Amino acid sequence: AQSVTQLGSHVSVSEGALVLLRCNYSSSVPPYLFWYVQYPNQGLQLLLKYTSAATLVKGINGFEAEFKKSETSFHLTKPSAHMSDAAEYFCAVSYTGNQFYFGTGTSLTVIP
Amino acid sequence: DVKVTQSSRYLVKRTGEKVFLECVQDMDHENMFWYRQDPGLGLRLIYFSYDVKMKEKGDIPEGYSVSREKKERFSLILESASTNQTSMYLCASSSNSGTSTDTQYFGPGTRLTVL
Repeated sequence: AQSVTQLGSHVSVSEGALVLLRCNYSSSVPPYLFWYVQYPNQGLQLLLKYTSAATLVKGINGFEAEFKKSETSFHLTKPSAHMSDAAEYFCAVSYTGNQFYFGTGTSLTVIP
Repeated sequence: DVKVTQSSRYLVKRTGEKVFLECVQDMDHENMFWYRQDPGLGLRLIYFSYDVKMKEKGDIPEGYSVSREKKERFSLILESASTNQTSMYLCASSSNSGTSTDTQYFGPGTRLTVL
């Protein structure tokens, strides 16, 4: 079965430090990949998506992710964390466009 | 901007009640989805619909049904609510352009508590 794994259900970083949230997928066929962010008591908002045009994808709020086929990974990074980045982050994959498979989420805490 | 709205942000119901959760999207999307979100489990697909009056079971359809009479509206129905259906329910929609790059757009969620 297709799946996506997010390593680390909770990540804490200091304000101004690098943010790294990990996502790996399990498929021999590269999927289309997405990162979503969820702020408390809100729905999910698209951060960025990989559509095979470029392996390094830039998203909103200074986030970016790099698709690495050899590692079946799509890790999310941000050079300098801001307090407003505290949220839950979900990685998702899609193969058919009709169904998405979501990871279990990573809760990011930013320490002042 | 795509807008997906859900009828209630918070809902409290009693065991055995019939519960309706409504979702409306304004972008003429073909696909609509219902998920439930629970801590540590991420998002799990309950049902999705790719056209009016069409529906497909997701990963956890038991105890739920859906209705899509109009393209913009997708309803989730709990026939007889139980305490294990206490959860956050998220609706999403996407277009069906024929590629796999279509983004899902989410509503704000309905936090349902069943007592």
